[in-house]
Amino acid sequence: EDKVVQSPLSLVVHEGDTVTLNCSYEVTNFRSLLWYKQEKKAPTFLFMLTSSGIEKKSGRLSSILDKKELFSILNITATQTGDSAVYLCAGDNYGQNFVFGPGTRLSVLP
Amino acid sequence: GAVVSQHPSWVICKSGTSVKIECRSLDFQATTMFWYRQFPKQSLMLMATSNEGSKATYEQGVEKDKFLINHASLTLSTLTVTSAHPEDSSFYICSAREGTVLYEQYFGPGTRLTVT
Repeated sequence: EDKVVQSPLSLVVHEGDTVTLNCSYEVTNFRSLLWYKQEKKAPTFLFMLTSSGIEKKSGRLSSILDKKELFSILNITATQTGDSAVYLCAGDNYGQNFVFGPGTRLSVLP
Repeated sequence: GAVVSQHPSWVICKSGTSVKIECRSLDFQATTMFWYRQFPKQSLMLMATSNEGSKATYEQGVEKDKFLINHASLTLSTLTVTSAHPEDSSFYICSAREGTVLYEQYFGPGTRLTVT
């Protein structure tokens, strides 16, 4: 059975801290891994990773995939209160569907 | 960019009644739509996948007769929760895909259903 695990499940930091969110996956016919940010409503897309070792960056956020270890991390540097959200990762099993992890609830305190 | 809308954004209904939730792709044709359910502080759980003009494919454990999905056109899919009960209260999110590339999946804003 396909499975995506995230850690930690929740995290509280102060503004300016750097955080690393973890995602491990077991997905048959794996094609890509995706990261989403979910605030009050639907998730918003952050990154899609298909190749190992290639870091993707968007502002203070970056992510990388390790297909050998079946693992991805999402880094957020210089966190701000607006980064408070649930961060979801999802495995794409070759066009069948997404398998979502449980999410990491990040709280950034001022 | 691709926009997906849902209607209503929130609904309260009484036990035993049915509720219909609409999901529309506003600026593209959605060959496939997905329906997710999310409980408080939990992740998204895929309920079903629907392709335009064909029957939806339900995930294991999802009751087909309770959650009726219709994907009648390339821009509209509906989820009807039949004979709703309080345990059906949840946040329902749809997403739509234009082609065959799964990661190009656009989420609607979600519908919060409360059954009293």
